[in-house]
Amino acid sequence: VMTQSPATLSVSPGETVTLSCRASQSVSSNLVWYQQKPGQAPRVLIYGASTRAIGIPARFSGSGSGTEFTLTISSLQSEDFALYHCQQNNNWPWTFGQGTKVEI
Amino acid sequence: QIHLQQSGPGLVKPSQTLSLTCAIFGDSVSTNDIAWDWIRQSPSRGLEWLGRTNLASKSKWYYDYAVSVKGRMTINPDTSKNHFSLQLKSVTPDDAAMYYCARASGGRYGYWGQGTLVTVSS
Repeated sequence: VMTQSPATLSVSPGETVTLSCRASQSVSSNLVWYQQKPGQAPRVLIYGASTRAIGIPARFSGSGSGTEFTLTISSLQSEDFALYHCQQNNNWPWTFGQGTKVEI
Repeated sequence: QIHLQQSGPGLVKPSQTLSLTCAIFGDSVSTNDIAWDWIRQSPSRGLEWLGRTNLASKSKWYYDYAVSVKGRMTINPDTSKNHFSLQLKSVTPDDAAMYYCARASGGRYGYWGQGTLVTVSS
């Protein structure tokens, strides 16, 4: 089971935010972060816990291993207000967290 | 460029069967080391993996389904049309959600369909 916290983060543009994802058992570094905007499908931000996907700005960074993971967004831009999901691919079936909404 | 295009009705009556299709462009449903999944999203459950198919070996397809839908759900790959489909039988209001098809590779879903909002209502 993947647990994300908090459910909602209210922040201002320019701030730095940290999103948490916790696994009920170790998933090693097999952790993916997605961003989802209203009316769109999720897109990959980070995989392998810390590797940015192609085209993802450097202000997005991921860290962690085992059961504790974080996604940090530095200097939030207006386009970063969205829903963020984590997903583990270490244990079958792959599972997602419930998501964290980053709102203004 | 890989693109997934979903089709199928968004309104299904209770107890009936939900049928959705995911057409694949820029890739093949038979590509080795690629899996094709169905995922749904609802406010209460978040993103929920439903099922997978992939070509495991010569002409042998692998299938797996979430416990929550096992026995009700079938995924069918169609190599002639290069698509894969979902059938979910005996739907209830609990099955109402946004349904996505997605391409799985390298442990992640790099490509998604546009989503189909499914309502279960008579």
